[in-house]
Amino acid sequence: EVQLVQSGAELKKPGESLKISCKGSGYNFGSYWIAWVRQMPGKGLEWMGIIYPDDSYTKYSPSFQGQVTMSADKSISTAYLQWSSLMASDTAMYYCARLAGSQYQPFDSWGQGTLITVSS
Amino acid sequence: DIVMTQSPDSLAVSLGERATINCKSSESVLYSSNNKNFLAWYQQKPGQPPRLLISWASTRESGVPDRFSGSGSGTDFTLTISSLQAEDVAVYYCQQYYNGPRYTFGQGTKLEIK
Repeated sequence: EVQLVQSGAELKKPGESLKISCKGSGYNFGSYWIAWVRQMPGKGLEWMGIIYPDDSYTKYSPSFQGQVTMSADKSISTAYLQWSSLMASDTAMYYCARLAGSQYQPFDSWGQGTLITVSS
Repeated sequence: DIVMTQSPDSLAVSLGERATINCKSSESVLYSSNNKNFLAWYQQKPGQPPRLLISWASTRESGVPDRFSGSGSGTDFTLTISSLQAEDVAVYYCQQYYNGPRYTFGQGTKLEIK
C-alpha cells in the first residue's frame, strides 16, 4: 500500500526557519515525483512545486519560487519542504502528494498534511 | 496558467438524488495525439487530505464507488454523483495536469445534504 506520512503540526514565530517532511512507503520512492500543495485556512488547493527524489530535480510554481525550498533524500524515502524565514501568511496546511507517473499525471496518493501556524 | 472554474461554489442535494458539479478550463486540456483529457477530480472531506476520485476526465480510481462518474472533453467537464450518500459530503476540486507541472485546481465546490 502506498503511504505518505508527514511530520507533525508546527507553531512558529515570524522570522523562524522550518523544515517539514514527507516519508513514502509501499513503492519505489525515488521513481515518482512528489508534489507539495498549500491549503490556506478555509481556501482551496495551490500547487507549490514538484521534486523527483531520484535526482532531486525540482520545478517550482512561480508563486512559490524563492519562498520555499524542496529537497529529498531517497535513501530514507523522504521529501522535505523548508522555509528560511516564515511569515504569518505562511500559516496553512501543507500536503505532499505523489504523482501517478510522469509530470503529466494526477496526484494519486496524499499525505495527511502538516499544519503550520505562524504567529507572534 | 490554465484557469479552472467550477460551478456552483456550493450545492445542497437530498439523499439519494443526483449531484452535478461542473468544471471549465480556460484552455483545452485534451491532448490530441492520444485523445486524453488531462483532468482529475478530487474529494476532500472535512479534516482529511484530498483523495483522487477520477483521472483522465472519466476514469474512476480503484475503490471509488460507481455512483461517481466523470464526463466531458476539451474545456467542459462534469462530476456526477448519481445517488447522493451521507458520506459524500465534501468539497470537490477539479485539476488540470495538461500543463504539467503548472498544475491548477478549481476553486472547489462544497457539497452538502439538503
